[in-house]
Amino acid sequence: DQQVKQNSPSLSVQEGRISILNCDYTNSMFDYFLWYKKYPAEGPTFLISISSIKDKNEDGRFTVFLNKSAKHLSLHIVPSQPGDSAVYFCAARLQGAQKLVFGQGTRLTINP
Amino acid sequence: DTGVSQDPRHKITKRGQNVTFRCDPISEHNRLYWYRQTLGQGPEFLTYFQNEAQLEKSRLLSDRFSAERPKGSFSTLEIQRTEQGDSAMYLCASSSWERQGSGELFFGEGSRLTVL
Repeated sequence: DQQVKQNSPSLSVQEGRISILNCDYTNSMFDYFLWYKKYPAEGPTFLISISSIKDKNEDGRFTVFLNKSAKHLSLHIVPSQPGDSAVYFCAARLQGAQKLVFGQGTRLTINP
Repeated sequence: DTGVSQDPRHKITKRGQNVTFRCDPISEHNRLYWYRQTLGQGPEFLTYFQNEAQLEKSRLLSDRFSAERPKGSFSTLEIQRTEQGDSAMYLCASSSWERQGSGELFFGEGSRLTVL
Protein backbone atom coordinates (compact mmCIF):
# COMPACT_ATOMS: atom_id res chain seq x y z
CA ASP A 1 0.00 0.00 0.00
CA GLN A 2 1.87 3.04 -1.29
CA GLN A 3 0.64 5.89 0.88
CA VAL A 4 2.96 8.47 -0.71
CA LYS A 5 3.34 8.46 -4.49
CA GLN A 6 5.56 10.32 -6.87
CA ASN A 7 4.19 9.41 -10.26
CA SER A 8 6.94 10.98 -12.35
CA PRO A 9 10.16 8.95 -12.21
CA SER A 10 12.07 11.69 -14.01
CA LEU A 11 11.86 15.34 -15.00
CA SER A 12 14.09 17.40 -17.25
CA VAL A 13 14.14 21.21 -17.00
CA GLN A 14 16.19 23.92 -18.62
CA GLU A 15 18.51 25.94 -16.40
CA GLY A 16 16.82 29.12 -15.18
CA ARG A 17 13.30 27.77 -15.61
CA ILE A 18 10.94 26.55 -12.90
CA SER A 19 11.04 22.92 -11.78
CA ILE A 20 7.82 21.49 -10.35
CA LEU A 21 7.91 18.14 -8.58
CA ASN A 22 4.65 16.52 -7.55
CA CYS A 23 3.59 14.16 -4.80
CA ASP A 24 0.25 12.57 -3.91
CA TYR A 25 -0.75 10.93 -0.65
CA THR A 26 -3.67 8.87 0.57
CA ASN A 27 -3.64 9.16 4.36
CA SER A 28 -5.36 12.25 5.77
CA MET A 29 -3.64 11.66 9.13
CA PHE A 30 -0.26 12.85 7.88
CA ASP A 31 0.67 16.00 9.81
CA TYR A 32 4.02 16.94 8.25
CA PHE A 33 5.35 16.69 4.73
CA LEU A 34 9.00 16.93 3.81
CA TRP A 35 11.15 17.02 0.70
CA TYR A 36 14.56 15.42 0.60
CA LYS A 37 17.23 15.66 -2.05
CA LYS A 38 19.67 12.87 -2.82
CA TYR A 39 22.89 12.93 -4.81
CA PRO A 40 24.52 9.67 -5.95
CA ALA A 41 26.52 7.87 -3.23
CA GLU A 42 25.17 10.20 -0.56
CA GLY A 43 22.33 9.95 1.93
CA PRO A 44 19.18 12.03 1.51
CA THR A 45 19.43 15.62 2.77
CA PHE A 46 16.52 17.61 4.10
CA LEU A 47 15.31 20.40 1.86
CA ILE A 48 12.05 21.88 3.12
CA SER A 49 8.96 20.86 5.08
CA ILE A 50 5.40 21.97 5.59
CA SER A 51 2.90 21.40 8.35
CA SER A 52 -0.54 20.13 7.41
CA ILE A 53 -2.06 23.31 8.85
CA LYS A 54 -0.33 25.44 6.22
CA ASP A 55 -0.69 25.58 2.47
CA LYS A 56 2.64 27.14 1.54
CA ASN A 57 6.18 27.30 2.85
CA GLU A 58 9.04 29.11 1.17
CA ASP A 59 12.80 28.95 1.64
CA GLY A 60 14.86 30.84 -0.90
CA ARG A 61 14.44 29.23 -4.32
CA PHE A 62 12.32 26.42 -2.89
CA THR A 63 8.58 26.60 -2.23
CA VAL A 64 6.32 23.77 -1.16
CA PHE A 65 2.57 23.94 -1.73
CA LEU A 66 0.06 21.72 0.03
CA ASN A 67 -3.47 21.07 -1.25
CA LYS A 68 -5.14 19.01 1.45
CA SER A 69 -8.44 18.60 -0.36
CA ALA A 70 -6.61 17.02 -3.29
CA LYS A 71 -4.08 15.25 -1.03
CA HIS A 72 -1.37 16.71 -3.20
CA LEU A 73 1.83 18.62 -2.61
CA SER A 74 4.36 20.10 -4.94
CA LEU A 75 7.88 21.47 -4.73
CA HIS A 76 8.75 24.46 -6.88
CA ILE A 77 12.36 25.35 -7.59
CA VAL A 78 12.93 28.68 -9.26
CA PRO A 79 15.23 29.44 -10.91
CA SER A 80 16.55 25.92 -11.49
CA GLN A 81 20.32 25.52 -11.34
CA PRO A 82 22.59 22.67 -12.52
CA GLY A 83 23.37 21.78 -8.89
CA ASP A 84 19.68 20.98 -8.39
CA SER A 85 20.11 17.84 -10.51
CA ALA A 86 19.40 15.04 -8.05
CA VAL A 87 16.69 12.59 -6.94
CA TYR A 88 13.95 14.27 -4.91
CA PHE A 89 11.91 12.34 -2.38
CA CYS A 90 8.62 13.41 -0.92
CA ALA A 91 8.00 12.13 2.63
CA ALA A 92 5.16 12.32 5.11
CA ARG A 93 4.80 11.73 8.83
CA LEU A 94 1.74 10.27 10.51
CA GLN A 95 0.37 12.30 13.40
CA GLY A 96 1.81 10.96 16.63
CA ALA A 97 4.32 8.72 14.88
CA GLN A 98 8.04 9.08 14.36
CA LYS A 99 8.71 7.32 11.09
CA LEU A 100 8.57 8.96 7.69
CA VAL A 101 6.83 7.38 4.71
CA PHE A 102 8.68 8.12 1.48
CA GLY A 103 7.62 8.29 -2.13
CA GLN A 104 9.56 6.51 -4.87
CA GLY A 105 11.51 9.60 -5.88
CA THR A 106 11.76 11.79 -8.98
CA ARG A 107 15.06 12.25 -10.77
CA LEU A 108 15.44 15.92 -11.73
CA THR A 109 17.90 16.85 -14.46
CA ILE A 110 18.69 20.51 -15.09
CA ASN A 111 19.99 21.09 -18.59
CA PRO A 112 22.32 24.01 -19.34
CA ASP B 1 32.65 16.40 10.50
CA THR B 2 29.78 15.91 12.92
CA GLY B 3 27.25 14.30 10.60
CA VAL B 4 25.82 10.79 10.77
CA SER B 5 28.48 8.25 9.87
CA GLN B 6 27.95 4.65 8.77
CA ASP B 7 30.37 1.77 8.44
CA PRO B 8 31.10 -0.08 6.23
CA ARG B 9 30.02 1.87 3.18
CA HIS B 10 29.82 -1.26 1.10
CA LYS B 11 29.62 -4.91 2.08
CA ILE B 12 29.64 -7.88 -0.29
CA THR B 13 28.76 -11.21 1.27
CA LYS B 14 27.67 -14.69 0.33
CA ARG B 15 24.17 -15.91 0.98
CA GLY B 16 23.85 -17.36 4.46
CA GLN B 17 26.53 -15.21 6.07
CA ASN B 18 25.90 -12.70 8.86
CA VAL B 19 26.61 -9.01 8.43
CA THR B 20 26.66 -6.09 10.84
CA PHE B 21 26.40 -2.39 10.11
CA ARG B 22 27.31 0.40 12.49
CA CYS B 23 25.85 3.89 12.73
CA ASP B 24 27.20 6.82 14.71
CA PRO B 25 24.52 9.55 14.92
CA ILE B 26 25.03 13.24 15.46
CA SER B 27 26.20 13.38 19.06
CA GLU B 28 23.40 15.42 20.61
CA HIS B 29 20.61 13.54 18.80
CA ASN B 30 18.57 11.23 21.00
CA ARG B 31 16.58 9.51 18.22
CA LEU B 32 18.10 7.09 15.75
CA TYR B 33 16.43 5.41 12.80
CA TRP B 34 17.23 2.64 10.33
CA TYR B 35 15.78 2.67 6.83
CA ARG B 36 16.29 0.40 3.83
CA GLN B 37 16.31 1.56 0.23
CA THR B 38 16.14 -0.65 -2.83
CA LEU B 39 16.67 0.39 -6.43
CA GLY B 40 14.01 2.73 -7.74
CA GLN B 41 12.27 3.04 -4.39
CA GLY B 42 12.29 5.52 -1.57
CA PRO B 43 13.66 4.67 1.87
CA GLU B 44 11.50 2.26 3.89
CA PHE B 45 11.35 2.48 7.67
CA LEU B 46 12.84 -0.44 9.62
CA THR B 47 13.12 0.65 13.24
CA TYR B 48 13.84 3.55 15.57
CA PHE B 49 15.37 4.18 18.97
CA GLN B 50 14.89 6.89 21.51
CA ASN B 51 18.10 6.83 23.51
CA GLU B 52 18.72 3.10 24.10
CA ALA B 53 15.07 2.02 23.85
CA GLN B 54 13.86 0.47 20.60
CA LEU B 55 10.37 1.95 20.33
CA GLU B 56 9.11 0.77 16.95
CA LYS B 57 9.90 -2.01 14.50
CA SER B 58 8.53 -2.41 11.01
CA ARG B 59 6.99 -5.61 9.71
CA LEU B 60 9.89 -5.52 7.24
CA LEU B 61 12.23 -6.37 10.09
CA SER B 62 12.14 -10.15 10.06
CA ASP B 63 13.54 -12.37 12.81
CA ARG B 64 16.86 -12.40 10.98
CA PHE B 65 17.28 -8.68 11.63
CA SER B 66 18.27 -7.24 14.98
CA ALA B 67 19.18 -3.69 15.93
CA GLU B 68 20.71 -2.39 19.12
CA ARG B 69 21.70 0.93 20.61
CA PRO B 70 23.27 -0.23 23.85
CA LYS B 71 24.34 3.06 25.42
CA GLY B 72 22.08 5.43 23.56
CA SER B 73 24.90 6.51 21.27
CA PHE B 74 25.97 4.35 18.28
CA SER B 75 23.73 1.63 16.87
CA THR B 76 24.29 -1.66 15.10
CA LEU B 77 22.06 -3.46 12.61
CA GLU B 78 22.77 -7.18 12.21
CA ILE B 79 21.37 -9.40 9.50
CA GLN B 80 21.73 -13.12 10.07
CA ARG B 81 21.68 -15.77 7.35
CA THR B 82 21.59 -13.16 4.60
CA GLU B 83 19.43 -13.74 1.52
CA GLN B 84 19.72 -12.18 -1.91
CA GLY B 85 16.58 -10.16 -1.20
CA ASP B 86 18.47 -8.40 1.58
CA SER B 87 20.61 -6.60 -1.00
CA ALA B 88 19.85 -2.92 -0.50
CA MET B 89 21.17 0.35 0.86
CA TYR B 90 20.80 0.52 4.64
CA LEU B 91 20.41 4.11 5.79
CA CYS B 92 20.80 5.41 9.30
CA ALA B 93 19.32 8.73 10.40
CA SER B 94 19.13 10.72 13.59
CA SER B 95 17.04 13.57 14.90
CA SER B 96 17.14 15.99 17.77
CA TRP B 97 14.49 16.86 20.32
CA GLU B 98 14.13 20.30 18.76
CA ARG B 99 13.61 19.01 15.20
CA GLN B 100 11.36 16.05 15.97
CA GLY B 101 8.26 18.22 15.72
CA SER B 102 8.74 18.62 11.99
CA GLY B 103 9.95 15.08 11.42
CA GLU B 104 13.25 16.27 9.99
CA LEU B 105 15.88 13.53 9.89
CA PHE B 106 19.61 13.74 9.21
CA PHE B 107 20.76 10.79 7.13
CA GLY B 108 24.12 9.11 6.84
CA GLU B 109 25.60 8.10 3.49
CA GLY B 110 24.36 4.56 3.85
CA SER B 111 25.80 1.05 3.87
CA ARG B 112 25.28 -0.83 0.63
CA LEU B 113 24.81 -4.58 1.04
CA THR B 114 25.28 -6.97 -1.86
CA VAL B 115 24.40 -10.60 -1.22
CA LEU B 116 25.77 -13.02 -3.81
